[in-house]
Amino acid sequence: KNQVEQSPQSLIILEGKNCTLQCNYTVSPFSNLRWYKQDTGRGPVSLTIMTFSENTKSNGRYTATLDADTKQSSLHITASQLSDSASYICVVRGLYSSASKIIFGSGTRLSIRP
Amino acid sequence: NAGVTQTPKFQVLKTGQSMTLQCAQDMNHNSMYWYRQDPGMGLRLIYYSASEGTTDKGEVPNGYNVSRLNKREFSLRLESAAPSQTSVYFCASISRDQGEQYFGPGTRLTVT
Repeated sequence: KNQVEQSPQSLIILEGKNCTLQCNYTVSPFSNLRWYKQDTGRGPVSLTIMTFSENTKSNGRYTATLDADTKQSSLHITASQLSDSASYICVVRGLYSSASKIIFGSGTRLSIRP
Repeated sequence: NAGVTQTPKFQVLKTGQSMTLQCAQDMNHNSMYWYRQDPGMGLRLIYYSASEGTTDKGEVPNGYNVSRLNKREFSLRLESAAPSQTSVYFCASISRDQGEQYFGPGTRLTVT
């Protein structure tokens, strides 16, 4: 069973609309959770990072939330733009710093239509 | 700073051929990683190097070898390429303080 599950797998919305992407994880013990944006043909780029004690963090039009009790995170995109078309990857890091404790979700592919 | 660089960007190999993927970072990071990304799957760790002179296997190391040449460079070698190794390969390095990973642009490898 995957330790980081993302939903939906893909999403299409109109430019200017809002959307929310979901991430459920089972990684334990937990250190931090990141959301990455990956444009087609490029490497992932970090959007936000949250530790166990943080509930919400914003980066411009991107707002991430974390519920450590239910092991759920969401990424909310406000007033979407065409440039938001990308894959969004949830990454959870286990408490101990071994590289094998960095677990990647399979991503949500977001398409913004004009 | 260039960040993390990878060469080549694209490569086509025949089954059985060998090649080395190069990665370099200029951020003075200690830890470096090689991942592969396949459709519908999350990035999977092939090998990592926690510091210069050390390397460790990740989740999917079979068919690969690595060399941590110095603090800047971490190469991935395919000794005898197989079609199952068709994938996009990403190199990453990690900052000590917050553990944020910085990724290279990727190498798209096709094995026929």
